[in-house]
Parts: sequence; structure tokens; C-alpha cells
Amino acid sequence: SYEVTQPLSVSVALGQTARITCGGNNIGSRNVHWYQQKPGQAPVLVIYVIYSDSKRPSGIPERFSGSNSGTTATLTISRAQAGDEADYYCQVWDGSTAVFGGGTKLTVL
Amino acid sequence: QAQLQQSGPGLVKPSQTLSLTCAISGDSVSSISAAWNWIRQSPSRGLEWLGRTYYRTKWSNDYADSVEGRITINPDTSKNQFSLQLNSVTPEDTAVYYCARGVWYFDLWGRGTLVIVSS
Repeated sequence: SYEVTQPLSVSVALGQTARITCGGNNIGSRNVHWYQQKPGQAPVLVIYVIYSDSKRPSGIPERFSGSNSGTTATLTISRAQAGDEADYYCQVWDGSTAVFGGGTKLTVL
Repeated sequence: QAQLQQSGPGLVKPSQTLSLTCAISGDSVSSISAAWNWIRQSPSRGLEWLGRTYYRTKWSNDYADSVEGRITINPDTSKNQFSLQLNSVTPEDTAVYYCARGVWYFDLWGRGTLVIVSS
């Protein structure tokens, strides 16, 4: 079965750029979607990919963007704000099974 | 604005069946452009996709290998909802269970139901 790996934690200074990675074998050939989850809430989709084109759902700031190449997909959060502090999960499909990464806790310092 | 409303018991005894329902508003369980999923989350297993139901020319289901044989997801077109049944539960099935809409990504989630498996 396909596995994706995320760092347990990432820290970023307020106003700087955070990069959260999602690693997997040839993940660049897959569409990688990203979710934000705050304590006590359901995950929220922040980046989705259609035909290799990264998109943001309505209401998600332009500061959020996604990229994917080789063995690493990256969620980039520019000009990080205190409200971006959350857990972030990547998600791909392995055949007819959805697979989530273990999640990365983003701390904004 | 579509919404998903979850319902079901928060406590289930070991070896019994966990049953949850997800009522859909603002969309249709029979939509040929949607799929209806169950996902759970626990500290030990993280986010775990359990399965989905969807309608194209007929109803179909996909299930995760980890729960195959114990899980059933059924649509209810008369009530515009779908359900999860997980049989023979153990304490390892303790988790927050979410219903979610999505074919390739999950753009709409229920609020989650904490289900504890304990005698």
C-alpha cells in the first residue's frame, strides 16, 4: 500500500513563509490535496488539485499554495499569521483507497 | 450551502455494531458527481479513510482494507442520507468519525462524532 510521510512539526516566524512537506514514492505523479485542522474542528480543504493544477477553495487565502514534484509535495503558507496555527494533512489516492499523511503541527512563533 | 449532519450513539460495547448516519442538505446522495465518505480520526491511527458510496449508473462502494469485511456504507435516497455500520468493534475502533463529501478530495465535512468502544 502507498504511504505518505509528513514531518511531525514545523515552526515559522510570524509573517514568514512556512513549508510543509508530504513525501512519497513518485508522489509527483499523483494529485496531492491538503487540509487544515484546528483543535476540536473537522478538517478543512485548503488546496486541491485537478489535472495537476493546484487550486484553492472559495474563502482560502491566496497565501496558501501547493506544489508537487518527484518525491515531495509541498504546502506553502506565505506571510504566516497566528490563525494559521493548526495541523495540516496531505491526502492522495492509492487505487480506490484514500490515504492521509500523519499530519504536521504548524506553530507560528 | 451544503451541509452534513451526523447522528448516532457515542458509546458502543465491544463486539457490537457501530452505526452512524449522515444527513445531507443542499446536495443529493444520488448526485452522479459526488461520493459520500466516512473517515475516522484517532491519536493512534491519525486520519483514516474508511469507505464511500456513490451513484453513477448504479450504486457502488469502496472500502478500506483495514475494515473490509466489517463495514457497510449504505445510501438512503428517501431521506437523502447515508450510513455507516461497523461490526464487531473493539476498543481500537474508538475514534472521532466524520462523514465527508468528495470524489478525489473532501470539500465538505460533518462536525464529527466521538465514538467510544467500551463495556
